[in-house]
Amino acid sequence: AAGVIQSPRHLIKEKRETATLKCYPIPRHDTVYWYQQGPGQDPQFLISFYEKMQSDKGSIPDRFSAQQFSDYHSELNMSSLELGDSALYFCASSFSSGFQYFGAGTRLSVL
Amino acid sequence: DAKTTQPPSMDCAEGRAANLPCNHSTISGNEYVYWYRQIHSQGPQYIIHGLKNNETNEMASLIITEDRKSSTLILPHATLRDTAVYYCIVRVALVQGGKLIFGQGTELSVKP
Repeated sequence: AAGVIQSPRHLIKEKRETATLKCYPIPRHDTVYWYQQGPGQDPQFLISFYEKMQSDKGSIPDRFSAQQFSDYHSELNMSSLELGDSALYFCASSFSSGFQYFGAGTRLSVL
Repeated sequence: DAKTTQPPSMDCAEGRAANLPCNHSTISGNEYVYWYRQIHSQGPQYIIHGLKNNETNEMASLIITEDRKSSTLILPHATLRDTAVYYCIVRVALVQGGKLIFGQGTELSVKP
């Protein structure tokens, strides 16, 4: 069965650079969630989209933005990267309010 | 969403049942109990969820106390591949954009 696809799997950036993370949900899933997991931390919710509209927002920095496109894929844009942004970024998808399936994550390293 | 409390770590012998407890004493009537696990650096994986009745699937069983203030996830025959952090999450299921709030989970180590 198709799973949630995230790209890239690994990303290395310098401070103050920008990064774009992509997420392709499971077919027919209409809701996408983004989570950030710092080293030794639990996953923290960033933002979610339902039917291409933002549905909820967590502790997402103003430097970050995200959107869900007409084909339901989502992108997380991160600007002015800081060392503290180094983390695993997970995308999850669900059909409506059903349970969430997670992707393998993108490991972002900011140097 | 209700707060949950789990032991930070547990050990289990391979082949034995692993019983992972979770306290959620402030749970509301419309909140479900969800269990996810995260194998090292992989994406969290859904295991099971329930409202008030006990539930069982191919991965695990979920036992919820009658007052719903606590629950236990049971892995009937733990294997080395079950070594992971297990998260108990309480949330309202039928809410659009229902984010998961991960608290401190239980790090289960299955030993040979």
